[in-house]
Amino acid sequence: QSALTQPPSASGSPGQPVTISCTGTSADVGLYNHVSWYQQHPGKAPKVIIYEVNKRPSGVPDRFSGSKSGNTASLTVSGLQAEDEADYYCSSYAGSNNFVIFGGGTKLTV
Amino acid sequence: EVQLVQSGAEVKEPGESLKISCKGSGYSFPNFWIAWVRQVPGKGLEWMGIIWPGDSDVKYSPSFQGQVTISADKSTSTAYLQWSSLKASDTAMYYCTRRTGTTNFDYWGQGTLVTVHS
Repeated sequence: QSALTQPPSASGSPGQPVTISCTGTSADVGLYNHVSWYQQHPGKAPKVIIYEVNKRPSGVPDRFSGSKSGNTASLTVSGLQAEDEADYYCSSYAGSNNFVIFGGGTKLTV
Repeated sequence: EVQLVQSGAEVKEPGESLKISCKGSGYSFPNFWIAWVRQVPGKGLEWMGIIWPGDSDVKYSPSFQGQVTISADKSTSTAYLQWSSLKASDTAMYYCTRRTGTTNFDYWGQGTLVTVHS
């Protein structure tokens, strides 16, 4: 099972929106509504910011939102803030044998 | 407060064995899946496998099957990741994380850095 495909980098100015894509296949992203997004600051553990495509854990700002169309999931950050500068990883359920696969990560620069 | 506390950094030589740990607290440890995730320095996240501490049911990613062993001791609320013969390519940060939804890993350990070199 290959990793999900993310752009290696994305950028935007404070206050602007940015969208990060995550492309899988009909066996993972396209088949299951079990896509999550993780934010990782340098030297820190990842933190879940979106799960089940578009659900936000409590405490995560509502400027983070998720969506999915076909085999591609997307994370949108509306109104970028300096603290949003981090690496972002998508993940998808891939069935009982492969279980979970991650994307290669996107470095977001604000 | 839910916490996952991992064992400290390790420096090993190729061919040596190693077992790192992840101790959970603040919740019912036997009743949540614990996964292990590898991150090679400067690279992305890789899902290695997952264990249900209640009965030690383990599922491995095909990429890591046969390369590592995942185990757990529910009596001490601790999950383990072990290698029988380390390679230089095992050098990475290893995270344990609790699963609450299919791909929702809500709490993470602080990571254990494993360095393998001669």
